[in-house]
Amino acid sequence: DAKTTQPPSMDCAEGRAANLPCNHSTISGNEYVYWYRQIHSQGPQYIIHGLKNNETNEMASLIITEDRKSSTLILPHATLRDTAVYYCIVRVFNAGNNRKLIWGLGTSLAVNP
Amino acid sequence: DGGITQSPKYLFRKEGQNVTLSCEQNLNHDAMYWYRQDPGQGLRLIYYSQIVNDFQKGDIAEGYSVSREKKESFPLTVTSAQKNPTAFYLCASSMRDRGLDEQFFGPGTRLTVL
Repeated sequence: DAKTTQPPSMDCAEGRAANLPCNHSTISGNEYVYWYRQIHSQGPQYIIHGLKNNETNEMASLIITEDRKSSTLILPHATLRDTAVYYCIVRVFNAGNNRKLIWGLGTSLAVNP
Repeated sequence: DGGITQSPKYLFRKEGQNVTLSCEQNLNHDAMYWYRQDPGQGLRLIYYSQIVNDFQKGDIAEGYSVSREKKESFPLTVTSAQKNPTAFYLCASSMRDRGLDEQFFGPGTRLTVL
């Protein structure tokens, strides 16, 4: 079962910031939050990940609340090419102590001209 | 260019036939993964391998088989025992010891069983 909940869809105007929320209220202390995106009928693409500190890279920023029960992915200046399904994922350890990504249903982001 | 290739992009098979999907990577990654994606759904893990000649079942391994004879290759066989094989299949790889699990995905194979 997915450990994250996301809104099924969002819209954003081109050039504006896109803020994608994610709830992960049952996350454990050693479980990371990852974000991937998937453009239609392609393989997913890694965006960013974090544990408890805010993170930024060339693609996006990740803001994690202090209690770690939710996070927000920020695309600072959305373009039409950012239209995709965005997955918020928790990395867990399975029974064999191997790392595993738990994928949810994602948010379909539409960037409009 | 380094990357992951999957072939073919589209595959059609008759019910009851086994079919093997190809996945090759030249990223020198130790770990490789197979996922299945159904319409409007997230990815579900079928099998993964962290090292040559070793692989582990994921969440939905029934009706599938894999091999890992070479570091670069991780083929997936969809057997006739898989009840609903029509799906989008994605292969991924990552550095085993990186600890970050940034997975690099191939373009996927869309399998349709008639």
